[in-house]
Amino acid sequence: IQLTQSPSSLSASVGDRVTITCRASQDIGVYLAWYQHKPGKAPKLLIYAASALQSGVPSRFSGSGSGTDFTLTITGLQPDDFADYYCQQLKSHPPVTFGQGTRLEIK
Amino acid sequence: QVQLMESGGGVVQPGKSLRLSCAASGFSFGSYAMNWVRQAPGKGLEWVAAISPNGKNDFYADSVKGRFTISRDNAKSTVYLQMNSLRLDDTAVYHCATVISVLVVWNWFDPWGPGTQVTVSS
Repeated sequence: IQLTQSPSSLSASVGDRVTITCRASQDIGVYLAWYQHKPGKAPKLLIYAASALQSGVPSRFSGSGSGTDFTLTITGLQPDDFADYYCQQLKSHPPVTFGQGTRLEIK
Repeated sequence: QVQLMESGGGVVQPGKSLRLSCAASGFSFGSYAMNWVRQAPGKGLEWVAAISPNGKNDFYADSVKGRFTISRDNAKSTVYLQMNSLRLDDTAVYHCATVISVLVVWNWFDPWGPGTQVTVSS
């Protein structure tokens, strides 16, 4: 199963609301997660099962979607949110697959 | 506090071998599946291998099948990745990751380690 994220990169300002999308090549139900990754650091699980917020993750992060189209929304960007974001599917495995990533940069 | 820490990375020539380790602490290691995920320079995340909690089942990406072997020592709370016949395109940061639910192989990855750099170069 292939995952296609858009955009590949985006620039935004602190306080903005941003949306990243992930499209699956076939129906994956809600078997989708979102991860945040900063250079040199451990990736971090933000959202699993398409919309469930992982423990300890701020509520400004939210996920939605099912089937083939999914979104990650960050409402009220904070300086700590500028990072790379990846979607991941667990519907069909192995292999586990990730999207190509979205780089969120400060405008 | 749950913690994962990789080690064993380095610079190696094509065709040679390297073994990575991932030491875990802060949770019941033997109850959780473990994974290796890599990120090549300028690329995204690529799942490499997974192993069941008891170590009896292992799974691989096609790109490493037959060359890499994942294993674990539950008494030492450590998972390994034996990498043989290394190629230039195996150059990457390698992360280990556990899953959020006990006793299942396929589940969401959390937490992850910070990674160890593997460079394959002649």
